[in-house]
Amino acid sequence: DTGVSQDPRHKITKRGQNVTFRCDPISEHNRLYWYRQTLGQGPEFLTYFQNEAQLEKSRLLSDRFSAERPKGSFSTLEIQRTEQGDSAMYLCASSLAGGNEQYFGPGTRLTVT
Amino acid sequence: SQKIEQNSEALNIQEGKTATLTCNYTNYSPAYLQWYRQDPGRGPVFLLLIRENEKEKRKERLKVTFDTTLKQSLFHITASQPADSATYLCAPRGVSSGSARQLTFGSGTQLTVLP
Repeated sequence: DTGVSQDPRHKITKRGQNVTFRCDPISEHNRLYWYRQTLGQGPEFLTYFQNEAQLEKSRLLSDRFSAERPKGSFSTLEIQRTEQGDSAMYLCASSLAGGNEQYFGPGTRLTVT
Repeated sequence: SQKIEQNSEALNIQEGKTATLTCNYTNYSPAYLQWYRQDPGRGPVFLLLIRENEKEKRKERLKVTFDTTLKQSLFHITASQPADSATYLCAPRGVSSGSARQLTFGSGTQLTVLP
């Protein structure tokens, strides 16, 4: 296992379409995080899982966003009815329980036209 | 509200010099603070963590200081190299975060080391 992977790396979609991103964390990490990053800004927290339980959600996560981690391994982030303001880099990170350091994936760049 | 400020301008320095990046925070009492490096089109990579009871931490050419009175962390890269060119992000984590495990990042400082 070489690190956190994300798929796809790039996604272009039309406004109003639904998109789904996948994150595969480092295998022994039970914590998984989603962040969103726009140009010139640091990553902003969206949501966090410990194993399969979604324990924290940001106010940034509108009801068009949903995340799952069904078996406590990979996670998906779905955005319904995409808007141009959703264009951003979506980053996934994982960590060990009790660990402070987070390991980030390469991100999925979403462009909504 | 909690606020994290990093050098507002991009930082250009000459190869071999020491780069100093600043992270200031307000309305925060971080138990620790992390620094990450981010290259274009890639996710952040962890560099260093410093706790509130530590004044200074070093790793190879990197040094971080943490002044809880000034509410500031300084990140130094000595003998800088063009390969150090990247965006550097600070992420203080407050004790008031409760059960939250997420990181809150500053907007980053873009460092360019000129050969």
